[in-house]
Amino acid sequence: NAGVTQTPKFQVLKTGQSMTLQCAQDMNHEYMSWYRQDPGMGLRLIHYSVGAGITDQGEVPNGYNVSRSTTEDFPLRLLSAAPSQTSVYFCASSYRAVLHEQYFGPGTRLTVT
Amino acid sequence: AQSVSQHNHHVILSEAASLELGCNYSYGGTVNLFWYVQYPGQHLQLLLKYFSGDPLVKGIKGFEAEFIKSKFSFNLRKPSVQWSDTAEYFCAVNLDSSNTGKLIFGQGTTLQVKP
Repeated sequence: NAGVTQTPKFQVLKTGQSMTLQCAQDMNHEYMSWYRQDPGMGLRLIHYSVGAGITDQGEVPNGYNVSRSTTEDFPLRLLSAAPSQTSVYFCASSYRAVLHEQYFGPGTRLTVT
Repeated sequence: AQSVSQHNHHVILSEAASLELGCNYSYGGTVNLFWYVQYPGQHLQLLLKYFSGDPLVKGIKGFEAEFIKSKFSFNLRKPSVQWSDTAEYFCAVNLDSSNTGKLIFGQGTTLQVKP
């Protein structure tokens, strides 16, 4: 199994540009989520999904959209990038929403200028 | 709002020293508790978890943690650290009642082990 994969690993955007961060898992996990990691703030949940077709907002959803059309994929869309979205983004998945370990992807380092 | 606090932001130890990293959470209900580690340049990996039962849990690489419900704490310990333990450590809490899998993370503790 490849586990949780994320692309790209690095990205530089200009303010106002849009882009999609890709996340895929091959473990048939129901639950997937997106976090952003900022220095001194730990990881904060952006959006999550408990199954295909079901998504919900986390702690910091503004400026981001998600969809879950398949079990495997959970892309994160930045609608109009802002410097405040400069961060490292991690995708995670687990077999079920609760009582299961979440597996994290390698991360995408995004810089918005 | 629920929160997780890690009191030590940056810890420097010599090899063979003992380690204890503090983690406290603010929530009165049932919680599931985790410690994750992020080695330099790598993604987060699970060190250990507590769902129920024995409050002293053992994880990988000689780490253990103790859940003290009355103190809302889940401190991470290791009797003798190694240089390879240099990493960032995150405590995380899942509120059992949420059924959403949401993890609330602490700010992280950077551990530097000197050879």
